[in-house]
Amino acid sequence: EPEVTQTPSHQVTQMGQEVILRCVPISNHLYFYWYRQILGQKVEFLVSFYNNEISEKSEIFDDQFSVERPDGSNFTLKIRSTKLEDSAMYFCASRLADLTDTQYFGPGTRLTVL
Amino acid sequence: LAKTTQPISMDSYEGQEVNITCSHNNIATNDYITWYQQFPSQGPRFIIQGYKTKVTNEVASLFIPADRKSSTLSLPRVSLSDTAVYYCLGGGRRSNSGYALNFGKGTSLLVTP
Repeated sequence: EPEVTQTPSHQVTQMGQEVILRCVPISNHLYFYWYRQILGQKVEFLVSFYNNEISEKSEIFDDQFSVERPDGSNFTLKIRSTKLEDSAMYFCASRLADLTDTQYFGPGTRLTVL
Repeated sequence: LAKTTQPISMDSYEGQEVNITCSHNNIATNDYITWYQQFPSQGPRFIIQGYKTKVTNEVASLFIPADRKSSTLSLPRVSLSDTAVYYCLGGGRRSNSGYALNFGKGTSLLVTP
C-alpha cells in the first residue's frame, strides 16, 4: 500500500538555525499539507500546497516558514530561523483529487530546538 | 467550518465493543464525516468516512443519523492495540483547492486487559 514518507525521523537543532523537513507524498496525489503537533497538544494545520503554489496557510505559517516541491516527488518544509517553540512533531500529508477530504499522513519528523 | 464535540476519554476492556459519539451540529451539506486514529508519536491514520446512514470497513463501522448532527464510530471487539486517540472531523476548512483538516482534542481510548 502506498505511504507518505518523511525524513528525518528526528532532527535536533540549535535555536536560530535553519532546518528542512522532507516528505515524499503518495505518487498520484495532488494536494500536499504540513501539520504540526506540539507535545500534548492537538494537531495543527500549517499549510496546503497545490499546483506548485500555496493554496492556504494558517496564522502559524509566518515568514519563517516556506514550502517547496523541488522535483516531482519531494515536498519540503523549511524553517529559516528556528525558535524553541518550533519544537514539535511535523506531519506531512497528501490527498488525491477527489470529492472527499481524506488525507494520508506520514510518520512525522520530531523537531527538537535547543 | 464544522465544530465537533466528542468525549475527552473512554476506557474499555479487551474484547468489548466501543462506541464513540461525536456531535457536529453545524455540519455543512457537502461535508463528509471522517474519523482518524492516532497512536503516540505517529501521524493520524484515516479510519473511516461517511456521509449518511452506515458505513462499514474492515476496521470499524460509522453510524450517521438522517439529520447528520452526530455520528458514532463503532470499534468491534477492541484489543490493546486499539489504545489511541480518535478524532472526528466534520469536513475540512476549504479553500479553492485545499481541504485543511481541523483536528480537535479527540477521544483518548484506553483498552485494558
